[in-house]
Amino acid sequence: GNSVTQMEGPVTLSEEAFLTINCTYTATGYPSLFWYVQYPGEGLQLLLKATKADDKGSNKGFEATYRKETTSFHLEKGSVQVSDSAVYFCALIANSGYALNFGKGTSLLVTP
Amino acid sequence: GAVVSQHPSWVICKSGTSVKIECRSLDFQATTMFWYRQFPKQSLMLMATSNEGSKATYEQGVEKDKFLINHASLTLSTLTVTSAHPEDSSFYICSATIRTDSTDTQYFGPGTRLTVL
Repeated sequence: GNSVTQMEGPVTLSEEAFLTINCTYTATGYPSLFWYVQYPGEGLQLLLKATKADDKGSNKGFEATYRKETTSFHLEKGSVQVSDSAVYFCALIANSGYALNFGKGTSLLVTP
Repeated sequence: GAVVSQHPSWVICKSGTSVKIECRSLDFQATTMFWYRQFPKQSLMLMATSNEGSKATYEQGVEKDKFLINHASLTLSTLTVTSAHPEDSSFYICSATIRTDSTDTQYFGPGTRLTVL
């Protein structure tokens, strides 16, 4: 079946540090890949997406590249801010009309 | 664009009562909406897929008679938790799908926190 695995948290970083959150997936065919962010007490916000191999999604300084050869979609940011503290979910849609398959989420805490 | 709203944002009710949660796509039409449940510090668990004008498709283990879903229009889906009990207390989140260039993207509502006393 389809599944997403992301690194366990929590991740604690100092402000301006480099961030990587690993995400790998298992899916048949060519899924679309997503990163969502959830701030405390809120719903999920789409952070970025990529729909085919070698696509790079980017938004608010975050980037992720769809790597089919390694079945990965790692999230990176060059310099994190305190306001980036949240839970980050990697997800895929295997086929149109299907629900998202989520990873378990990675909690990020950025300290001043 | 792509804004999804939920109402209410939080609700507290007595055990045995029913609670209705609305999910609306404000600036687009959504053929498909999804309902998720989230427990503290956990990922989202898909409850059901809701298609406009047809019966919802429930995930294994989700009681369809307890969690009634109605998708009456392309912009509105409702989830009714019937005869709620404390174990139904949770964060319920809906999402609506936009399809562009043969790719689906889901946009999420802000969630509804249900507390059953």
